[in-house]
Amino acid sequence: DTEVTQTPKHLVMGMTNKKSLKCEQHMGHRAMYWYKQKAKKPPELMFVYSYEKLSINESVPSRFSPECPNSSLLNLHLHALQPEDSALYLCASSHRDFSTNEKLFFGSGTQLSVL
Amino acid sequence: AQSVTQLGSHVSVSEGALVLLRCNYSSSVPPYLFWYVQYPNQGLQLLLKYTSAATLVKGINGFEAEFKKSETSFHLTKPSAHMSDAAEYFCAVSFNGGSQGNLIFGKGTKLSVKP
Repeated sequence: DTEVTQTPKHLVMGMTNKKSLKCEQHMGHRAMYWYKQKAKKPPELMFVYSYEKLSINESVPSRFSPECPNSSLLNLHLHALQPEDSALYLCASSHRDFSTNEKLFFGSGTQLSVL
Repeated sequence: AQSVTQLGSHVSVSEGALVLLRCNYSSSVPPYLFWYVQYPNQGLQLLLKYTSAATLVKGINGFEAEFKKSETSFHLTKPSAHMSDAAEYFCAVSFNGGSQGNLIFGKGTKLSVKP
């Protein structure tokens, strides 16, 4: 299994809603990432988890709350989002965080629309 | 500081023609360089990577890239374009001693292939 699975594929939510994005991998990877990608832009790093601990938070607003319940799962909890938060949210994993020549495995993303 | 510049936000070629996507990097230390491809509504997939071994790197789907230190370039090429190559291509750089969280993406080049 060499896949990173993200659910849901599409999500529409209001500004007062609470929702969660889920990401799962069974490759034994110990580093997992959340990226945000606006249309026609490159991915922007949000969070990095290494061995289930948050190692990088790129000054992301608190309305985004990551969670890594175990080594295979990564969640992103969403609350009180703004329309400008609408984007493709990509999850990725790699064998380790601190081996910079390793490839990232990306999921297909969740296309989020905030109304 | 490390950075990567992709020349041309949109490249259009005819089927069967040479594909050349340009990437120049800036790094004060030896870089690791990557090319990722993103098909519509998908996550990113690694095409190839340079990690200080051979300067000519062969990747998947017939793509290759050559690391030229004197030109600080890592251009992506394919001898003969196929319709299925139409996608967004991202050049990225990281550096030894950094983490995958420091993977820096270029702005992307959209490749269109005409019949």
